Amino acid sequence: QVQLKESGPGLVQPSQTLSLTCTVSGFSLTSYNVHWVRQPTGKGLEWMGVIWTGGSTDYNSALKSRLSISRDTSKSQVFLKMNSLQTEDIATYYCARELNSSYMPFDYWGQGVMVTVSS
Amino acid sequence: DIRMTQSPASLSASLGETVNIECLASEDIYSDLAWYQQKPGKSPQLLIYNANSLQNGVPSRFSGSGSGTQYSLKINSLQSEDVATYFCQQYNNYPNTFGAGTKLELK
Repeated sequence: QVQLKESGPGLVQPSQTLSLTCTVSGFSLTSYNVHWVRQPTGKGLEWMGVIWTGGSTDYNSALKSRLSISRDTSKSQVFLKMNSLQTEDIATYYCARELNSSYMPFDYWGQGVMVTVSS
Repeated sequence: DIRMTQSPASLSASLGETVNIECLASEDIYSDLAWYQQKPGKSPQLLIYNANSLQNGVPSRFSGSGSGTQYSLKINSLQSEDVATYFCQQYNNYPNTFGAGTKLELK
């Protein structure tokens, strides 16, 4: 069945780089777009970026200068890297699969990984 | 960016009651509107897409409607398992944007 699972360090020091991995199963990264979305505790959802089936990416302009999304299709993994982390980046980070084609919502989500920024 | 204004921010309703949640887009999103349910400590679950299409496996007491800039989610015959926070999302334009959420509690 379709599954997505985020992994990575739960604690990042201020100004350092966050590296997260989304490992997917039950579908191919060359057939479905995968997005990253984050949610500060008790708050709303913020779309961060997407890696398209062809491997190109798009980012939220608010994060574009700090964010990079890539993938390894052979390992069914999508990677998120965001530099210069600050306390405003404290959130749960989710990867999510886009429903069946472009410009659609997200039908499967990972369980999320909570990231704290602290020295 | 398209701004999504969701109302109410919180809602208290009784079992069996009908509940409505509204979402207003800052511009026409041509029915590219989804609704999600999120329970505490869990990831969001897709309920409705394309404004009124029920996602597979979602109970039929959930329905969506609207067009242009105005959309709504209706829950008929409220059940205890419907206690959650509900978010709308527009995917007509990037960046995708979400409403701030409606927290639904039992009265």
